[in-house]
Amino acid sequence: DTGVSQDPRHKITKRGQNVTFRCDPISEHNRLYWYRQTLGQGPEFLTYFQNEAQLEKSRLLSDRFSAERPKGSFSTLEIQRTEQGDSAMYLCASSLAGVRPGGEEQYFGPGTRLTVT
Amino acid sequence: AQKVTQAQTEISVVEKEDVTLDCVYETRDTTYYLFWYKQPPSGELVFLIRRNSFDEQNEISGRYSWNFQKSTSSFNFTITASQVVDSAVYFCALTSGGSYIPTFGRGTSLIVHP
Repeated sequence: DTGVSQDPRHKITKRGQNVTFRCDPISEHNRLYWYRQTLGQGPEFLTYFQNEAQLEKSRLLSDRFSAERPKGSFSTLEIQRTEQGDSAMYLCASSLAGVRPGGEEQYFGPGTRLTVT
Repeated sequence: AQKVTQAQTEISVVEKEDVTLDCVYETRDTTYYLFWYKQPPSGELVFLIRRNSFDEQNEISGRYSWNFQKSTSSFNFTITASQVVDSAVYFCALTSGGSYIPTFGRGTSLIVHP
């Protein structure tokens, strides 16, 4: 397996436009996470899926953001009516549920860098 | 609430020096996990180590070593004989209380000069 992949790697959009990002996790991983990272900060949790179910969403995830994981495979993150404050790196990670809740390491993709002009 | 503090924003060393990256955590839970991740310039975070709250044994992996001390709520990371390839941002992270969601510190940028 080639690891977690994300597409596109870079996206420049004008304020008010909609954007969609895709994440392909490691194939046998049942958990998938989305994070946002801004310069000089650690990743901030946005949402996560176990299989196809979206189990938790951060308060950071406004109603302009929506995520899906149809069939429990790849996931998409859509941002509607983008704002300049949405400019960030969007990271996807996956993990395999283990016997130790919270103890699984996550495997990260290379991220999608979004610039809103 | 849980919190991770990495007080060192940036560390600059010359190759072959030893360097320690500090991580202090806060949680009210007795069961928790601590992690270190490396983020090279390419941007992809790479898992380095996991430690659970019941295992205070220090660990060494090649030039990397980790010192977990519950008494001071710290989980520090030492790189011995640093190399230019160690240049990256290093993040400490915490999950606790059975949550799958890690809280990351702000990261420490390590620059190793040749």
